[in-house]
Amino acid sequence: AQSVTQLDSQVPVFEEAPVELRCNYSSSVSVYLFWYVQYPNQGLQLLLKYLSGSTLVKGINGFEAEFNKSQTSFHLRKPSVHISDTAEYFCAVTARAETSGSRLTFGEGTQLTVNP
Amino acid sequence: EPEVTQTPSHQVTQMGQEVILRCVPISNHLYFYWYRQILGQKVEFLVSFYNNEISEKSEIFDDQFSVERPDGSNFTLKIRSTKLEDSAMYFCASRGVDRGNTEAFFGQGTRLTVV
Repeated sequence: AQSVTQLDSQVPVFEEAPVELRCNYSSSVSVYLFWYVQYPNQGLQLLLKYLSGSTLVKGINGFEAEFNKSQTSFHLRKPSVHISDTAEYFCAVTARAETSGSRLTFGEGTQLTVNP
Repeated sequence: EPEVTQTPSHQVTQMGQEVILRCVPISNHLYFYWYRQILGQKVEFLVSFYNNEISEKSEIFDDQFSVERPDGSNFTLKIRSTKLEDSAMYFCASRGVDRGNTEAFFGQGTRLTVV
């Protein structure tokens, strides 16, 4: 079984400031890692994913995340945020498997609010 | 770009009534999922479906819930007798079965309100 902890429930920042949203996970097996974004009254959109290889992955909208196996973390970062980045961000994991049917386990979510 | 579509976007039902939430997954995907998100809480897994049968379900997915793929394109979630605590946003997702297809694509969700 997997679990995900997002350490900050709310992160307020000013426009053009850098931001880091923290995510730690626990799993007895190897996992794939994801960040999803949910804009108000919308569904979940994939920002980026880590499957293997380089531990720094780049996603859409200027976001990136770094996989740290020793610290079991997958923190999301953006060097300069915009008002339009205001949304809920979810970290998620799924077990690696021969077939790709594993469920996603989500964290509690982090509400990022970008203020002018 | 292919997408997962869900209908209706919002449904209000009386407690004890049956509801069916509908989803059209991406056409060449073979894994299908339902998740729910109670207001202000995290997204929770309900059930996964593959090869016309449930492959995994959570403890939330009790006898009141059922899923079906009736016609090869739709994927439905039925709640037999709704309770107030079933009020939530329900998300459908689908994923390809190829080894490289690790991403689940989500629909826009159906907001279910039980009154």
